[in-house]
Amino acid sequence: AQKITQTQPGMFVQEKEAVTLDCTYDTSDQSYGLFWYKQPSSGEMIFLIYQGSYDEQNATEGRYSLNFQKARKSANLVISASQLGDSAMYFCAIPPTGNQFYFGTGTSLTVIP
Amino acid sequence: KAGVTQTPRYLIKTRGQQVTLSCSPISGHRSVSWYQQTPGQGLQFLFEYFSETQRNKGNFPGRFSGRQFSNSRSEMNVSTLELGDSALYLCASSSRINYGYTFGSGTRLTVV
Repeated sequence: AQKITQTQPGMFVQEKEAVTLDCTYDTSDQSYGLFWYKQPSSGEMIFLIYQGSYDEQNATEGRYSLNFQKARKSANLVISASQLGDSAMYFCAIPPTGNQFYFGTGTSLTVIP
Repeated sequence: KAGVTQTPRYLIKTRGQQVTLSCSPISGHRSVSWYQQTPGQGLQFLFEYFSETQRNKGNFPGRFSGRQFSNSRSEMNVSTLELGDSALYLCASSSRINYGYTFGSGTRLTVV
C-alpha cells in the first residue's frame, strides 16, 4: 500500500524568501510519480509539479522545484521567492496503479509580508 | 480550454435526504475521479470512472455511488445523508492513466 507523510501541519515564510515543504512516501512500486498540488481557500486543487521515479534531474516549474531523494523516499517541494499568493494548503500525492491518488495530510503555508 | 466544472458549488441538505453532485471533465478526458475532503480525514478517494465504467472504488459505504455518461460527465450520489457527510467533494479528470489530475473547484456539502 502507498503512504504519504507530510510532517509540517503549518509553515510560515517571509515574503521573497524560499521555503521547503517536506514529503516522504512509502511505495512498493518500482515506477511511480510524485505530485504536488496547491489548494487555496477557494478549494480548487491546483497542479504544481510532477517527478517521475526514474527521472534523472529534479523537476522544476518556475518558482517550484522538487528536491527528490529516491533512496530516502523523500520529495520535498521548494518554493523560491515566496509571494503572498502562495499562502495555501500544499499536498503531496502519489498515484499507485489504478489511478487512485493517495494524498498526504497537507501543509498550510502562510506567507508573511 | 475549459477546466473541470463542478456544480453546484455549495449545497445544504438535511439528514436523511439524498444529493447528486455533477462533474464535467475537461474535453477529451475520459477518466473522472471523486474525492471527499474533510478536516479530520483529509482527502479520501471515492471512486474513479473511465469510459462509463467504474474502475476503482475507495472504502466508502454503499450510500455513495456514481456514474459516468457517454460524454464523460459524471455524477455522484449520496443517499440517506449523515452529518459526517459534510465535506468538500472534489472531482478530477485525467487523460492518461497515472497522470496528473486536473481538479474542479469542488462542491461544499453541508448536512444539517
